[in-house]
Amino acid sequence: QVQLVESGGGVVQPGRSLRLSCAASGFTFSSYGMHWVRQAPGKGLEWVSVISYDGSNKYYADAVKGRFTISRDNSENTLYLQMNSLRAEDTAVYYCAKETYSRSSAYFDYWGQGTLVTVFS
Amino acid sequence: DIQMTQSPSSLSASVGDRVTITCRASQDINSYLAWFQQTPGKAPKSLIYAASSLQSGVPSKFSGSGSGTDFTLTISSLQPEDFATYYCQQYKSYPFTFGGGTKLEIK
Repeated sequence: QVQLVESGGGVVQPGRSLRLSCAASGFTFSSYGMHWVRQAPGKGLEWVSVISYDGSNKYYADAVKGRFTISRDNSENTLYLQMNSLRAEDTAVYYCAKETYSRSSAYFDYWGQGTLVTVFS
Repeated sequence: DIQMTQSPSSLSASVGDRVTITCRASQDINSYLAWFQQTPGKAPKSLIYAASSLQSGVPSKFSGSGSGTDFTLTISSLQPEDFATYYCQQYKSYPFTFGGGTKLEIK
């Protein structure tokens, strides 16, 4: 069965960096695009970033562009999110999500359990 | 960016009821619309894609409809486990965007 397990969250000071990981299993990781979605405490869902199956294409939300970098290691079945210059407003639970395909469009099917990032001075 | 507006933001209903949640896109998104369910402290769960197609394993009590800019999620015969927050999302173009959520509570 598909499993997505995030790790790497924690408490960090503003301006510092953190790298999140998402370990994937139960499917052919190298065949699917992957996303990061976050949820601030008590708030709704916010899409963060996507990476194509081979890592050649990446897109970011304006709120994180230039500070966050998405990457993947298909040999290790792992997705990453490098977060630099962290701000208080980046405090959230970060979820990784797998996409799947239908009629040339891509949508989410599976989500990880999330990892909490707290940016606090 | 495409804005997604859900209504109502909260809804009270009783076990056994049928409810409908509405989602409106700020521009035509064809049928590139998904619905998710989230219970407190848990990850979102994918329910519907392509506006009306059920994800594998999702019971038929959930149904979606619409295209273009106006969409609905209907849940029939509410059970205690259905009381959760529901989100719509467009995936026509990046950045993907979510509606603000509809919290479904027990009356």
